Amino acid sequence: DQQVKQNSPSLSVQEGRISILNCDYTNSMFDYFLWYKKYPAEGPTFLISISSIKDKNEDGRFTVFLNKSAKHLSLHIVPSQPGDSAVYFCASSSKRSGDKLTFGTGTRLAVRP
Amino acid sequence: DAGVTQSPTHLIKTRGQHVTLRCSPISGHKSVSWYQQVLGQGPQFIFQYYEKEERGRGNFPDRFSARQFPNYSSELNVNALLLGDSALYLCASSLSVIHGNYGYTFGSGTRLTVV
Repeated sequence: DQQVKQNSPSLSVQEGRISILNCDYTNSMFDYFLWYKKYPAEGPTFLISISSIKDKNEDGRFTVFLNKSAKHLSLHIVPSQPGDSAVYFCASSSKRSGDKLTFGTGTRLAVRP
Repeated sequence: DAGVTQSPTHLIKTRGQHVTLRCSPISGHKSVSWYQQVLGQGPQFIFQYYEKEERGRGNFPDRFSARQFPNYSSELNVNALLLGDSALYLCASSLSVIHGNYGYTFGSGTRLTVV
């Protein structure tokens, strides 16, 4: 049972444009949502997070939007840079499961110069 | 300050063998979690340890076990290896286990190949 889904395995964007990565979840008990970025041969790196009591969180070029009624979140990167090319994972956690993270399958972002 | 270090970085084992993977957390971090990432999938939670006690276990068979030592380093053990155990094994450390503490730092992982 895939509780966190990233339905787009890949995304290609022109440098300077907006990248939008999407994530859907099924477990209504999730109350924290996180995005991680992963380069080849490295571990995932925490990017940005959002609590379920909020609908938006912004950090520099990165903004995460949460739509609880649709059980959907998205990561916006503006403007996209070639160094943003990586695999992006959406992850969720619930108070009941402590610190355990449930990850999606990832979206590979390629930013073209 | 060193990050999360995992050893070895790569490993090839034969079906039925046993493997031990090691993780040293960031200095001062008392919580260590293990994740398995199969090719094309996201990381899946295996174990979490805090202050040397198991705090959580994912949906993995009993062939998987782990422990945390007094210096907070950790070992993940897998017995009777199967081809399906081939994956990247990630270790993550954090200061504590407070919910919403997303201060996880991941290591670069151990790539295990079972042949």
